[in-house]
Amino acid sequence: GAVVSQHPSRVICKSGTSVKIECRSLDFQATTMFWYRQFPKQSLMLMATSNEGSKATYEQGVEKDKFLINHASLTLSTLTVTSAHPEDSSFYICSARQEVRTEAFFGQGTRLTVV
Amino acid sequence: GNSVTQMEGPVTLSEEAFLTINCTYTATGYPSLFWYVQYPGEGLQLLLKATKADDKGSNKGFEATYRKETTSFHLEKGSVQVSDSAVYFCALSSGSARQLTFGSGTQLTVLP
Repeated sequence: GAVVSQHPSRVICKSGTSVKIECRSLDFQATTMFWYRQFPKQSLMLMATSNEGSKATYEQGVEKDKFLINHASLTLSTLTVTSAHPEDSSFYICSARQEVRTEAFFGQGTRLTVV
Repeated sequence: GNSVTQMEGPVTLSEEAFLTINCTYTATGYPSLFWYVQYPGEGLQLLLKATKADDKGSNKGFEATYRKETTSFHLEKGSVQVSDSAVYFCALSSGSARQLTFGSGTQLTVLP
């Protein structure tokens, strides 16, 4: 099956610093990658959609200057949380989709804690 | 717009009980439907899917049938196990980007 690897699984950072989260499709080429945020006991909230080689499309209310997304290759997308604040603490999950398949595959998620 | 309405949880069952988690959807066009499962502290795993009306998705004893007439995709399992304890998400995808729209999730706890 298709495997998506997300790294790191947990990160603690100080307020004001930036954190980069990587999402890799290990055995397929991901034409589209998605970034979600999940609050405790809640559903996933789509933050942005990225296609390889083009700018990400952000959902309404998501600050694109704060959540920088780069999809430089067909197997790697990164989410950088810039100038992180405690309210950015959350569980971030990426997913990747191959052009010819209907389903998306998810990474393991990253637990970000900003102190 | 698209939306998914999922049975409120939490659901607590005894081992070997029958499980149903209801899911209905609203979508334009012909969406694909999915059930994903999330274990504590992890991402989502695809459990099953159906891409057109009357399709039945099945995996690990779980089943769901794409019912266009009732716009439903209810998840069922005849005999649950403790290891099935997790959060289950119903989702649909449509449109050119095939973005997923998720339901609110249902926490299932199976007691031995």
